[in-house]
Amino acid sequence: GAVVSQHPSRVICKSGTSVKIECRSLDFQATTMFWYRQFPKKSLMLMATSNEGSKATYEQGVEKDKFLINHASLTLSTLTVTSAHPEDSSFYICSAISGRTPNEQFFGPGTRLTVL
Amino acid sequence: GQNIDQPTEMTATEGAIVQINCTYQTSGFNGLFWYQQHAGEAPTFLSYNVLDGLEEKGRFSSFLSRSKGYSYLLLKELQMKDSASYLCAVRDRGNTDKLIFGTGTRLQVFP
Repeated sequence: GAVVSQHPSRVICKSGTSVKIECRSLDFQATTMFWYRQFPKKSLMLMATSNEGSKATYEQGVEKDKFLINHASLTLSTLTVTSAHPEDSSFYICSAISGRTPNEQFFGPGTRLTVL
Repeated sequence: GQNIDQPTEMTATEGAIVQINCTYQTSGFNGLFWYQQHAGEAPTFLSYNVLDGLEEKGRFSSFLSRSKGYSYLLLKELQMKDSASYLCAVRDRGNTDKLIFGTGTRLQVFP
């Protein structure tokens, strides 16, 4: 099956710093990637949709200047949390769609961000 | 608005059958997905329904009624490893392929 990786798996940072999270599709080209955040014992909330070579589409209420998304290639999307604050602490998960199996999103293992 | 509801928690006994319901009210509909998620891990795909009826896949089955905005996931012969959260998600109509996730149901299987 299709594999999506995320790096890092865990990150702890100080308030005010920026953190970059990478999402890679390892064995397929991802036409579209998605970024979600998940609070403890809650469901996934879609943050943005990312297409290679174009600007990300953000969901209502998500600050695009706060959560910078760059989809540089068909196998890599990055999410940068800028000037992180404790309320940004969360589980961030990416997913990717392959052109060959458009009915299925393949999820990465997630990144646990803790902002002190 | 978009609204997808599931029971928050359920419990069941090993070997039993459990049905997890999902009701949805969304502006568009282009398929319904069920995912399983263990704590601290990524969701894994279980099933996909776009037409009314039952889709069976081993111990797991999923049902959809578009007219009622209703789906359920049926888990048979429950095993301890089935203890997890089960997420219902609706794919929005259009070319975005984005999923709107329900609240999730935490299932605890007891021996």
